[in-house]
Amino acid sequence: QVQLVQSGAEVEKSGASLKVSCKASGYTFTNYYIYWVRQAPGQGLEWMGWINPNNGVTSYAQKFQGRVTMTTDTSISTAYMEVRRLMSDDTAVYYCARAGVGPFEYWGQGTLVTVSS
Amino acid sequence: QSALTQPASVSGSPGQSITISCAAITSDVGSFNLVSWYQQHPGKAPKLMIYEVTKRPSGVSNRFSGSKSGNRASLTISGLQADDEADYYCCSYAGSNTYLFGGGTKLTVL
Repeated sequence: QVQLVQSGAEVEKSGASLKVSCKASGYTFTNYYIYWVRQAPGQGLEWMGWINPNNGVTSYAQKFQGRVTMTTDTSISTAYMEVRRLMSDDTAVYYCARAGVGPFEYWGQGTLVTVSS
Repeated sequence: QSALTQPASVSGSPGQSITISCAAITSDVGSFNLVSWYQQHPGKAPKLMIYEVTKRPSGVSNRFSGSKSGNRASLTISGLQADDEADYYCCSYAGSNTYLFGGGTKLTVL
C-alpha cells in the first residue's frame, strides 16, 4: 500500500534552514507528483507547492518562492522540502502528500517544525 | 484572506444533515470544477472525502456528498455521527499548477 513516512520533529532558530524528508513506498515513486502542505498551530491548511520526481520540475506558491526548495532522490524514493531563513511564522506541521483519485489522497504523518527566537 | 471562504463552524445533532459551503471569492479558481474536500481529526493528517466536486474515493461513506452551484461548492453530511466531528477543508485547483485551500470549518456534533 502507498505510504509516505516523514522525518521527525525539529526545533530550529530563526534565520536557520530546515529540510524535511518524505520517504515513499508502495508505488513507483517517479509516477506521481509529491505535494507539500503546511498547517500552523490552530490554523488551516496551506498549499506550498509540488515536485515532479520524474524530472525535478517544481511549482511553488507565490509566498514561498525564493525561500523554499523541493527536491527528490529517486534512488531512495524520497522527497525533500527545504525552508531557508526560518521565521517564527514558519512554526507548523509540514505534510507531504501524493495524488490518487484526488489531488491529495495519500498523506505523510506530518513533521512538526518549531522555530524559536 | 483565503480565496475560498468557508464558515468557521457548523453544528448538528446525531442523525441530522449538515452542509458546509465553500465560496470562491476571486476568479483564481477558474471554472471551480476541481474542488476536493478533506476531513481532519485533531492531531491527524487530513483525509480526502470528495474529489472533482462530487466524487467519493473508495471507502468513504455515502453519507458524504459534494455539489456545486456557480461559485459555491458544498459538502453535505447526512446521518451525522459522533465521529464526523472534525475540521473540514475545501480545496480547489487555481490554475498555473497551483492549489488553494479554504480556511476550514469546525463541525461539532451536539
